[in-house]
Amino acid sequence: DTAVSQTPKYLVTQMGNDKSIKCEQNLGHDTMYWYKQDSKKFLKIMFSYNNKELIINETVPNRFSPKSPDKAHLNLHINSLELGDSAVYFCASSQEQGFVSGELFFGEGSRLTVL
Amino acid sequence: AQKITQTQPGMFVQEKEAVTLDCTYDTSDPSYGLFWYKQPSSGEMIFLIYQGSYDQQNATEGRYSLNFQKARKSANLVISASQLGDSAMYFCAMPANAGGTSYGKLTFGQGTILTVHP
Repeated sequence: DTAVSQTPKYLVTQMGNDKSIKCEQNLGHDTMYWYKQDSKKFLKIMFSYNNKELIINETVPNRFSPKSPDKAHLNLHINSLELGDSAVYFCASSQEQGFVSGELFFGEGSRLTVL
Repeated sequence: AQKITQTQPGMFVQEKEAVTLDCTYDTSDPSYGLFWYKQPSSGEMIFLIYQGSYDQQNATEGRYSLNFQKARKSANLVISASQLGDSAMYFCAMPANAGGTSYGKLTFGQGTILTVHP
């Protein structure tokens, strides 16, 4: 069983479209995240949710709207896609929101390509 | 704010040899941790090893070990007996605010691409 699973793994779409990426974790973790990896492989946090509550919103454009229906799911919806949104989006989870030694468990990533 | 620097964009190593991947950090927090992640070409992020700033001994996990030097603010990853499957991108990372209030925000370095030659 995959601990953190994301769908779809690949997404190719036109500028201006709206798309969603879904994430589910079966680890019983309280906290989930979205990270973005750009074309230069730089990883940066976008959002953090703890028990369905938004904890971190890292100055992400409001075209990006995360939604957490329950603590095992964190979906990412993106409106009016732009070329610069092309990236790999990683979902992750951790046992606690204030971790020091507990690592993040990452999903396999969703590669979004905007044409 | 924390800062993580990986100065080696790419490294090459012969199979079965050891290799060291550099990572330096900057933080004002008295308590912090350092992570290393591996990202193979398939794209997933794999946790390798963790070192806490107050850990007395350098962390080891199988062929991975951390050469942790607090005074120099470095946390280099040492991979012993390299294997072809070790070819990947390696990231050093640190919680953005240590002491239990990071909220899972990891700050990542730029990454180092390791290529293992047969």
